[in-house]
Amino acid sequence: DGGITQSPKYLFRKEGQNVTLSCEQNLNHDAMYWYRQDPGQGLRLIYYSQIVNDFQKGDIAEGYSVSREKKESFPLTVTSAQKNPTAFYLCASTIEGQGYNEQFFGPGTRLTVL
Amino acid sequence: AQSVAQPEDQVNVAEGNPLTVKCTYSVSGNPYLFWYVQYPNRGLQFLLKYITGDNLVKGSYGFEAEFNKSQTSFHLKKPSALVSDSALYFCAVSRRWGNNRLAFGKGNQVVVIP
Repeated sequence: DGGITQSPKYLFRKEGQNVTLSCEQNLNHDAMYWYRQDPGQGLRLIYYSQIVNDFQKGDIAEGYSVSREKKESFPLTVTSAQKNPTAFYLCASTIEGQGYNEQFFGPGTRLTVL
Repeated sequence: AQSVAQPEDQVNVAEGNPLTVKCTYSVSGNPYLFWYVQYPNRGLQFLLKYITGDNLVKGSYGFEAEFNKSQTSFHLKKPSALVSDSALYFCAVSRRWGNNRLAFGKGNQVVVIP
């Protein structure tokens, strides 16, 4: 059964802690993306990767970091430098980094800072 | 940079009536346009896309959208709304010859009243 998985579904973090959100896909997609969703603001792009061992900053990369060591995995670390990390985080992938391909989304991780 | 406007925060419609969700876009050159739907605490699901050709695009669950280049619009429509269509709808645009970076609108909450 192909798809994108994200874990955990819910994550609680104390201020000052780094946390890592997992994103795995078995669709053999080349490109992967991380978005942040806040109420009334739509989705904003954090980082994206079009190929293994390469990634680019999106519109709101400050306070986040990523790695792309394997084609199927694109973990996102929310660092203590991110001032307002409470949000719903969505991972997506697409077959290749061309504009006409739709993106497939994971179920999301809801991060709450305590 | 590309952008999307979804002017209405919420669309209320009676079950069985036609449903329209509005979207206008801004992009340099010709666009690729997408509609996604999101149910509470879930990821986004792809509904349909416009790449080229016929301006009327048909998608999943009876939805369709019409591309209007002169008005830079891509409104989503369904002839007869169902209660199960109640969800958050996102319009998105990417550039041709781009890197598949999607710009999302802020989303429209659709409420179908039984």
